[in-house]
Amino acid sequence: AAGVIQSPRHLIKEKRETATLKCYPIPRHDTVYWYQQGPGQDPQFLISFYEKMQSDKGSIPDRFSAQQFSDYHSELNMSSLELGDSALYFCASSLGDTYYEQYFGPGTRLTVT
Amino acid sequence: KNEVEQSPQNLTAQEGEFITINCSYSVGISALHWLQQHPGGGIVSLFMLSSGKKKHGRLIATINIQEKHSSLHITASHPRDSAVYICAVRRGGADGLTFGKGTHLIIQP
Repeated sequence: AAGVIQSPRHLIKEKRETATLKCYPIPRHDTVYWYQQGPGQDPQFLISFYEKMQSDKGSIPDRFSAQQFSDYHSELNMSSLELGDSALYFCASSLGDTYYEQYFGPGTRLTVT
Repeated sequence: KNEVEQSPQNLTAQEGEFITINCSYSVGISALHWLQQHPGGGIVSLFMLSSGKKKHGRLIATINIQEKHSSLHITASHPRDSAVYICAVRRGGADGLTFGKGTHLIIQP
């Protein structure tokens, strides 16, 4: 069965650069969630989208923005990168919001040097 | 105090043992998830529960809504079960999951 696809899987950036992470949900899934997991930390919810509209917002820094496109894929844009942004970024998708199981992608490991 | 507490934090057991991981939460939820994370990071969803009990293979998950407590059991544990097991809750009215700190399980042959 098709799973959530994230690209790139690994990304190395320098401080103050920008990065764009992409998430392709499971086919027919209309809801996308973004999470950030710092080294040795539990994942933290950043933001979610349902039917291309922002659905919920967590601890997403102002330097980050995200959107969901008409084909339901989502992009997380990160600007003015800081060393503390180094983390594993997970995307999850579900069919509908609120009451449906979230399926996680493999994650993008971002390293900021 | 964290909204989601797991115990134990670390667990080492011998192959074949019955494993129990506990999760307590302090907020109203619409669902509770049990997740598995292997070294290298990938997260796999094991169960989503809003009541009662679910079973998949050697894994069993239960939840008591009144007591705000859930357990994950592994029967006939195997070294390939070694991973971090994470309890995460979906608060009522919210989309994002709130995660526990995880239980690092090692099953020795």
